Amino acid sequence: DTEVTQTPKHLVMGMTNKKSLKCEQHMGHRAMYWYKQKAKKPPELMFVYSYEKLSINESVPSRFSPECPNSSLLNLHLHALQPEDSALYLCASSQYITGGPGEAFFGQGTRLTVV
Amino acid sequence: DAKTTQPTSMDCAEGRAANLPCNHSTISGNEYVYWYRQIHSQGPQYIIHGLKNNETNEMASLIITEDRKSSTLILPHATLRDTAVYYCIVRVGDSGGSNYKLTFGKGTLLTVNP
Repeated sequence: DTEVTQTPKHLVMGMTNKKSLKCEQHMGHRAMYWYKQKAKKPPELMFVYSYEKLSINESVPSRFSPECPNSSLLNLHLHALQPEDSALYLCASSQYITGGPGEAFFGQGTRLTVV
Repeated sequence: DAKTTQPTSMDCAEGRAANLPCNHSTISGNEYVYWYRQIHSQGPQYIIHGLKNNETNEMASLIITEDRKSSTLILPHATLRDTAVYYCIVRVGDSGGSNYKLTFGKGTLLTVNP
């Protein structure tokens, strides 16, 4: 199984709503990532979890709150978002290997629209 | 991580080889060259990576110059399904968690024409 599964595929939420994005992988990868991608732009790194601990936060606003409850799951909790936060949110995972970082596997993303 | 420079767009005829260049003149000794691609509305897909030797897999070949300041991704027989944005990324090769970043540049939009 080389899949990273993201749910939901599409999400529409109001600015006062609280919602969560979910990401799951069963490849035994110990690094997991959240990316944000606006239309016609490259993915932008938001967070990196390493062995279930947050290791990188790219100065993301606190209205985005990541959580890694176990080695297979990664959540992104959303609260009080703005319309400009509408984007494709991508999850990825990778393994640590001797001699270099392993390849990253990406999910298909959650298309988020904030109204 | 070292910065990369890629052409904004390229065209290729179906069945011909697609050669995608990448400049990474500030690459340091412990940085690998990675290639990913993103087909429209999908998540990025790993293609290949290398340190200094040329590499080949079932998808593509990676040619890295001797001074490591540039590389070329080769898709030997491009198909319409290879139309995508191709990203060249350089990143450190250690396995420490805090350095485990994968940062995308603007990439090259490759259009394969029938």
